[in-house]
Amino acid sequence: NAGVTQTPKFQVLKTGQSMTLQCAQDMNHNSMYWYRQDPGMGLRLIYYSASEGTTDKGEVPNGYNVSRLNKREFSLRLESAAPSQTSVYFCASSEAGIRSNSPLHFGNGTRLTVT
Amino acid sequence: KQEVTQIPAALSVPEGENLVLNCSFTDSAIYNLQWFRQDPGKGLTSLLLIQSSQREQTSGRLNASLDKSSGRSTLYIAASQPGDSATYLCAVTSGTYKYIFGTGTRLKVLA
Repeated sequence: NAGVTQTPKFQVLKTGQSMTLQCAQDMNHNSMYWYRQDPGMGLRLIYYSASEGTTDKGEVPNGYNVSRLNKREFSLRLESAAPSQTSVYFCASSEAGIRSNSPLHFGNGTRLTVT
Repeated sequence: KQEVTQIPAALSVPEGENLVLNCSFTDSAIYNLQWFRQDPGKGLTSLLLIQSSQREQTSGRLNASLDKSSGRSTLYIAASQPGDSATYLCAVTSGTYKYIFGTGTRLKVLA
């Protein structure tokens, strides 16, 4: 049982390049999330998907797009990377939304550097 | 706007000591609160989830309490071990869809 799997683990991009961060969960969870973690700022929600076929913006969506490909997979795309997007990106999932009191399960993160 | 504060930012204790980590939040209208552990270079692992109607939750040597009216939660770790060294984060629900995270307490348990 792998839980939440993120690829790649590390990535270096040049300003203006694009890339897609992949996330997959094998727990049959309905809700999936993308967070970024920056020193001194905690984790901030970029986008979330309450269920298959739906996506919504979080706190810091600018510069990102997402796709909920199916129930298992939720990808995050940077169309034109900027140095301000240097961060650690975490994907998380939960059985249902926050009102359901189901815990969040996190992947191990993607460490992205934009030069 | 929900804000979450964790004090202290860092803590060192000798092995075997009982310790308390603090989490405070500004908006008491929450669905639940979660405590997480994060090891260096890793993701977050959920330790305990306390529903808004609950006062505390226990798992092994961990006990988390919740006082919604005062906007506080504590994570109590009994008989600390070097393996407990990690960063501990709390998160509370905000609005209808998201969690707000604190910046964490970095714990070091000395052998």
